[in-house]
Amino acid sequence: RKEVEQDPGPFNVPEGATVAFNCTYSNSASQSFFWYRQDCRKEPKLLMSVYSSGNEDGRFTAQLNRASQYISLLIRDSKLSDSATYLCVVNWSSARQLTFGSGTQLTVLP
Amino acid sequence: DGGITQSPKYLFRKEGQNVTLSCEQNLNHDAMYWYRQDPGQGLRLIYYSQIVNDFQKGDIAEGYSVSREKKESFPLTVTSAQKNPTAFYLCASSMGGGRPATGELFFGEGSRLTVL
Repeated sequence: RKEVEQDPGPFNVPEGATVAFNCTYSNSASQSFFWYRQDCRKEPKLLMSVYSSGNEDGRFTAQLNRASQYISLLIRDSKLSDSATYLCVVNWSSARQLTFGSGTQLTVLP
Repeated sequence: DGGITQSPKYLFRKEGQNVTLSCEQNLNHDAMYWYRQDPGQGLRLIYYSQIVNDFQKGDIAEGYSVSREKKESFPLTVTSAQKNPTAFYLCASSMGGGRPATGELFFGEGSRLTVL
C-alpha cells in the first residue's frame, strides 16, 4: 500500500463546477498535511495547509479526517486557471521530510 | 528576488557518464532537498540536508551523490550507477534547521535529464 494515495484522475469538469479530491495516508502518526499545486512541466507550489478543524482559502476548502486517515480538497466555482495537478503531502512527526502523493490531474473545460 | 535556481534546465547525457545538477538558493534556508519525479508518480526523495556539511539519504539515494559545503548550494551528481536516470529533478529548500517541516517547500524550476 502506498504511503500517500490519490486518485490520479484525470478529472475533467466544466467551468463553474465544484470538484473534490480525496487523499488517504497510511501512517496514523502523521502530523501535518498539505495540498500543493503543480502546473504542467513546472515545479510544485504550496496551495494550502490542512488543519484539523478544516480551513478555507477563497474557493478552496481543505478538510482532515484523522479517524479515516484521509484529507480532502474542495474547489468551488472552478476556473480555467485551476487546471493543474494537485499533490497531497504528508509529514510524519518522526521524519523531517515530506511524503508526496502521485497527484490528481484536474482539467477545467470552457 | 529570493528564490532557488537550478541549472541546467535541460540536460542530455550518454550512458555511463556522470552529470552534476546545480541548485543554489538565496532564501537563507537551512534545509535543502533533492526530489525525482517520473511521469504519473509523486516526488521521491533522493537526498536531503538539514545543515551545512551534513546530509542524509532519502528513499532512492542509490546511484546519486550530493555535497553541502555551503548553505546556499546543494549540487546533485547522477552517477553512472543510477540505472534509470531519465527524469525530472527538483531541488527544494525550507527553513528546516531542526524544526519539524512546516510544509512549505520552495522549489526550483527543475532539471530534465535525458539519457541517450
